[in-house]
Amino acid sequence: AQKITQTQPGMFVQEKEAVTLDCTYDTSDQSYGLFWYKQPSSGEMIFLIYQGSYDEQNATEGRYSLNFQKARKSANLVISASQLGDSAMYFCAMRVLGGYQKVTFGTGTKLQVIP
Amino acid sequence: KAGVTQTPRYLIKTRGQQVTLSCSPISGHRSVSWYQQTPGQGLQFLFEYFSETQRNKGNFPGRFSGRQFSNSRSEMNVSTLELGDSALYLCASSFAAAGSSYNSPLHFGNGTRLTVT
Repeated sequence: AQKITQTQPGMFVQEKEAVTLDCTYDTSDQSYGLFWYKQPSSGEMIFLIYQGSYDEQNATEGRYSLNFQKARKSANLVISASQLGDSAMYFCAMRVLGGYQKVTFGTGTKLQVIP
Repeated sequence: KAGVTQTPRYLIKTRGQQVTLSCSPISGHRSVSWYQQTPGQGLQFLFEYFSETQRNKGNFPGRFSGRQFSNSRSEMNVSTLELGDSALYLCASSFAAAGSSYNSPLHFGNGTRLTVT
């Protein structure tokens, strides 16, 4: 079974500052993918960034980067230059080989950007 | 390209009734999955369909069922509604091949918010 742990229920960040959202995972599978999703108050889950278990380089997508430390089983999301529109819930998630579309989600971190 | 479309956006039902939710995936996506989101349990996987066949299922009672049509559109049905079924139901699609892959992201719809009174 897979497990995702997000230990920060809520965080505040000043506009234009960088923020790191923590995520640790647990799985016995060797082949897996880690994802981050953003969920605004509207409810839609928006895909942000992906990191594969065999990827040696940390993933980056615009202002988002994923700090992947495989030995520590962590996959932290870094948002640079925070914007007011970044205020939302953020979920770390995992898929494993053989799990098809089943995604295991963490409990989420509510990020609030302060002007 | 249109995203994942879920209808309706909001539903209010009474205990004991049944409900059907609809999901149209992104064009070309053959895999559709459903998730339940509640404040207490978070996001939980319900089931997944690929080419009209259910190929994975979460730990939900038999009252929760689904199906997929030949055009990849999917429906989810909940019978004999309970108060605890009140939740945001999210549908997701991905460009999944016949085999299992773990590296393609799921694309979610806006969800259907179901309230059971």
